[in-house]
Amino acid sequence: DARVTQTPRHKVTEMGQEVTMRCQPILGHNTVFWYRQTMMQGLELLAYFRNRAPLDDSGMPKDRFSAEMPDATLATLKIQPSEPRDSAVYFCASDGQGPWNEQFFGPGTRLTVL
Amino acid sequence: AQTVTQSQPEMSVQEAETVTLSCTYDTSESDYYLFWYKQPPSRQMILVIRQEAYKQQNATENRFSVNFQKAAKSFSLKISDSQLGDAAMYFCALQGGSEKLVFGKGTKLTVNP
Repeated sequence: DARVTQTPRHKVTEMGQEVTMRCQPILGHNTVFWYRQTMMQGLELLAYFRNRAPLDDSGMPKDRFSAEMPDATLATLKIQPSEPRDSAVYFCASDGQGPWNEQFFGPGTRLTVL
Repeated sequence: AQTVTQSQPEMSVQEAETVTLSCTYDTSESDYYLFWYKQPPSRQMILVIRQEAYKQQNATENRFSVNFQKAAKSFSLKISDSQLGDAAMYFCALQGGSEKLVFGKGTKLTVNP
């Protein structure tokens, strides 16, 4: 069955290292979202794309975070350099039928920055 | 700015009983959607139920139903005949003006056998 996949599922790294998280949206879905979940802030939207073009990245710290869609089947979220405060679960979600439809979430990447 | 407030950090219910989770929201949009998502310990976000603001009829999905009070900006979730598998974090979310979802802080539901 169709689902959003994310890799890696878990990542432990040291402060200062680059982290890359990958997402494969459901085939045919043209809108991809990146969310971050922490105990303190809850679930927050970082950025989202439609047809591979960034529509909104206002929730993303620009100095260290970057999000791209190299092609329609891959979205990436990079953190460089990583900091302990970036420790969180990062979710990717996709939807395919225009505005205000169900977003299908991936299983998340749990990131720990030591 | 759009906001979603879940005032109950934790709730508990006995198996087979009914529980209601509260959610209030604020938006200046006239057209919007409201959602309840379930997040079990596996972390997977699962859509439970969805309500279009322009529909007056409350949405239902099997044992899950909502009480949508548009004027009061309230959107509560009722779970009937609670089951052990219903234990999870429940998030209320708002989508209006764009595809972005704005989430509440969540309610942790415990189901006691």
